[in-house]
Formats: sequence, C-alpha cells, structure tokens
Amino acid sequence: DADVTQTPRNRITKTGKRIMLECSQTKGHDRMYWYRQDPGLGLQLIYYSFDVKDINKGEISDGYSVSRQAQAKFSLSLESAIPNQTALYFCATRPSGTGELFFGEGSRLTVL
Amino acid sequence: AQTVTQSQPEMSVQEAETVTLSCTYDTSESNYYLFWYKQPPSRQMILVIRQEAYKQQNATENRFSVNFQKAAKSFSLKISDSQLGDTAMYFCAFIVGTYKYIFGTGTRLKVLA
Repeated sequence: DADVTQTPRNRITKTGKRIMLECSQTKGHDRMYWYRQDPGLGLQLIYYSFDVKDINKGEISDGYSVSRQAQAKFSLSLESAIPNQTALYFCATRPSGTGELFFGEGSRLTVL
Repeated sequence: AQTVTQSQPEMSVQEAETVTLSCTYDTSESNYYLFWYKQPPSRQMILVIRQEAYKQQNATENRFSVNFQKAAKSFSLKISDSQLGDTAMYFCAFIVGTYKYIFGTGTRLKVLA
C-alpha cells in the first residue's frame, strides 16, 4: 500500500459542483501539502499544514479550502469548481528536520 | 525572487548512453536543499537525488549524480547508462526555510531503444 494515498485518482465533474480530494498518510509526518500541477508550469503550492491546528495558504489558494482532520488526513475542497481548476493535484508529506517531500499518486480533476 | 530554471523542455538519449539535465536556481539564502524528482507516465513524483547546499561533495545515487556549483547556482543531473525506465519528466526543486519549495517547469526525457 502507498504511504501517501489520494482519492479519487481521477474525477470528472461539472462547473459549480463541490469537489473534495482526500489525502491520508501512514508515514507519521506532521507536515502536509497540496500542490497543483499544470502542463508547463511545474508545481504550485495551494495550502500547507504543519499540524492539525496550523494551516496556511500557499501561492494559489483562491477557490480552494482545506481541512486537516487528523495528523494523517488532509483534504482539499473546491467549493464551486470551474474549468480552469482542471489539473493534476498532489498531496505530499514531509518529516520535520529533512527537506524531502513524499508525494501521493496524484488526483486528476477535470471540470467541464 | 526565488526561481528554478530548467532550460531544456525536452531531451532524448539512446539507451546505455549518458545524459545531463540542466538546472539553475536563484536564491539569496545560503542554506537550502536541492532535489531532482522524476515523474514517469504513472505520474507519481519520485525523489531521484538530493543535495544539501552546505555540502561541497556532489550527491550520487547509483546511476544518478549531480554537479552542484553553489557559486554559479547550478544543479545539473547526470544519468549514466540510461535505461528505458528512465523515460519521465524530471523536475529540479529547492527548499528554503521551513516550507517553501520552488519547482522548475520540468524536462521531458525520452530514452530511445
């Protein structure tokens, strides 16, 4: 089983719908991140969390919200999806004291 | 501004040959980590190699090695004895401070049989 699990892996939805992408990890890391990947743009940070009571906006947080339900769970929500939110979304974790990110397998979201 | 530049959008290499992917970055910090991540068609991001900026010795992981030039802010990745499984998108990245990772836009590498 993957250490960082994202659900769903693929989702097609319509404009205006609410969507939740879920992330759970078994690595025991405190730090969790949500990134968005668009072709030719690399990865952009949406939100990050250092623990359940510490949630911070990244560089492209508009139109997104998050919830850190437990140390192991970090969900990303799109309250009213729009077509330009079509992208590949990654959850990642990081242990304190090291630089490496551990990524989930990605959730491909298509908004029609 | 802190940036990462990967100037080669696409590259190809023959199987068993050596290829070098370029990466330059810009930061005013003196202490940071640098990374190369691989994204195969399966799309998961996988760490290939990492380098601590305070270490002068270049990192090596099996067939993968880096040429880290701190003064020039250059961090290239060399893949020796290229294999078909190395076909992927490669991202250069660094982290400064406690949370902010800066990623490049990637180099698509194709290994030819």
